Amino acid sequence: AQKITQTQPGMFVQEKEAVTLDCTYDTSDPSYGLFWYKQPSSGEMIFLIYQGSYDQQNATEGRYSLNFQKARKSANLVISASQLGDSAMYFCAMREANTGNQFYFGTGTSLTVIP
Amino acid sequence: EAQVTQNPRYLITVTGKKLTVTCSQNMNHEYMSWYRQDPGLGLRQIYYSMNVEVTDKGDVPEGYKVSRKEKRNFPLILESPSPNQTSLYFCASSLSPAGPASQETQYFGPGTRLLVL
Repeated sequence: AQKITQTQPGMFVQEKEAVTLDCTYDTSDPSYGLFWYKQPSSGEMIFLIYQGSYDQQNATEGRYSLNFQKARKSANLVISASQLGDSAMYFCAMREANTGNQFYFGTGTSLTVIP
Repeated sequence: EAQVTQNPRYLITVTGKKLTVTCSQNMNHEYMSWYRQDPGLGLRQIYYSMNVEVTDKGDVPEGYKVSRKEKRNFPLILESPSPNQTSLYFCASSLSPAGPASQETQYFGPGTRLLVL
């Protein structure tokens, strides 16, 4: 079974609108971390936001927020007020403590911001 | 400047010719990792290391070797490359594999594009 599932291969959003990128995860480990990374066309991987499994509140970093629904095992990324520079690939990832801290990435979502 | 460096950035080689991709970090990070990125498959972890002399297999270790003799370096070795190892490779490091976000967030190198003919 896939550890991280991103079901949206591609998304479009109008500039200045909000967009939600979906991520579901599969783990039986009570201790885990969830991450979102951005990969622009230049190729580098940029860390965006982190959510720990024991964190009570949803993580926020500027225009990024993580909608963490533990019971549903989802960790959706919300980008508010989209900008043209947000056009990129977005990857959801998870670190499980009990597997020795192995990391798992999803297949990514390509976001295009339309002017 | 805090960074993860990889060399070379681009490499074309032939089947069976041993190669090494170097990775170095200057942040005194304990955790280091190698990934390969292929279209439609996202990033897959090859090997990771929790500290010096401690390495573990990730999801796709076949055909690769690593070593961690020093904290800052984590080279990836392809003893006998094959065309199916053509990929984009990333090295990453974090202060600690687990803990607050500031510790476990991975920082990535710029990537190495490998073509095996």
